[in-house]
Amino acid sequence: QQQVKQSPQSLIVQKGGISIINCAYENTAFDYFPWYQQFPGKGPALLIAIRPDVSEKKEGRFTISFNKSAKQFSLHIMDSQPGDSATYFCAASIWNSGGYQKVTFGTGTKLQVIP
Amino acid sequence: ETGVTQTPRHLVMGMTNKKSLKCEQHLGHNAMYWYKQSAKKPLELMFVYNFKEQTENNSVPSRFSPECPNSSHLFLHLHTLQPEDSALYLCASSRGPQETQYFGPGTRLLVL
Repeated sequence: QQQVKQSPQSLIVQKGGISIINCAYENTAFDYFPWYQQFPGKGPALLIAIRPDVSEKKEGRFTISFNKSAKQFSLHIMDSQPGDSATYFCAASIWNSGGYQKVTFGTGTKLQVIP
Repeated sequence: ETGVTQTPRHLVMGMTNKKSLKCEQHLGHNAMYWYKQSAKKPLELMFVYNFKEQTENNSVPSRFSPECPNSSHLFLHLHTLQPEDSALYLCASSRGPQETQYFGPGTRLLVL
């Protein structure tokens, strides 16, 4: 019930195209949904995040769409650029009895944007 | 630059060795975390420290031993590891335990 399922595992998109990554979760107690971007040799970096009371959040070329009833959320990268080539992780977090936000990560999507 | 540094960046060790991973955060955060990242698997939370106190041990084998001497430094002591422990070990910190986590670049560990 703590799993976050992410697809696709890899994605190749033409420069200027739209990249779409999907995630699904089971635990309705999750209350924060961040997306992380990871370049080779680097740790994951927070890209954009959303709370379940909002259906969409946009920051520049990156948009999260959130469907609470379906327990699904997705990342859309508009006008994809070669510099966006990285691994993207969706995540969901919940306040843990140990007194911290426990983050459950998806398995990652390796995005390659080709010129 | 996230303000979280990790050393060493790469480590090769035998199963009988003892080594330590170091993490330092320059962000004034109070919570620190160790994660394990293996290929094609989700990041696995290992340990959580809040104000130097360990608040989570996510069923991690005792061959991994964390230490948090202050809010800026976190260590992971390694002893008699197994080849399946080879992975990228990531440190993260957050202002508080409920805040966004910021990750370091990781230590790539290979156990022979």
